Amino acid sequence: DTAVSQTPKYLVTQMGNDKSIKCEQNLGHDTMYWYKQDSKKFLKIMFSYNNKELIINETVPNRFSPKSPDKAHLNLHINSLELGDSAVYFCASSQDLQKTQYFGPGTRLTVL
Amino acid sequence: GEDVEQSLFLSVREGDSSVINCTYTDSSSTYLYWYKQEPGAGLQLLTYIFSNMDMKQDQRLTVLLNKKDKHLSLRIADTQTGDSAIYFCAESKGSNYQLIWGAGTKLIIKP
Repeated sequence: DTAVSQTPKYLVTQMGNDKSIKCEQNLGHDTMYWYKQDSKKFLKIMFSYNNKELIINETVPNRFSPKSPDKAHLNLHINSLELGDSAVYFCASSQDLQKTQYFGPGTRLTVL
Repeated sequence: GEDVEQSLFLSVREGDSSVINCTYTDSSSTYLYWYKQEPGAGLQLLTYIFSNMDMKQDQRLTVLLNKKDKHLSLRIADTQTGDSAIYFCAESKGSNYQLIWGAGTKLIIKP
């Protein structure tokens, strides 16, 4: 019955690998987001999808590609992982762009 | 978080009130938020305030908004050890209502 869920919770991988993080929300929301939180706890928006359409695409390397198969899912695929990609990645959702965002528990990615 | 500023740390004694401050830059922000992040956990929405309000109270939490000074504060009455966390202020900005985040204030509770 979790509102916004992410898998995996922890991900440890080698440089150069390709990995995916999945996000699902069961709130019936139209909008989903990916954020990156660095080691200093700074939160930065990466992507926002509204009704499966990309709305916000901040300056993120094109190694990062979000995919929204339906309104309830927004997955994040990362190619050729680099050391600097190590961070906690949060998924969030909101009813629409104007409404309050609800966050998933985060995925801690460690690139070795 | 250059548009939203918060002190990085606040230390209070258990039972006292905590006041966490935040300044923002966009006077057209529609909503302002407070989120709580406990160690190793996700972001939990605490409360939010619409820009045409100046105060909102919810149990031990009081949010004050001074639009003229672009200053937002979160007061936690009777601070408990369970309130130890990082508190993030965020403003919604622009036509996409993008959230702009402060760096977070770590609340430390002294016994």
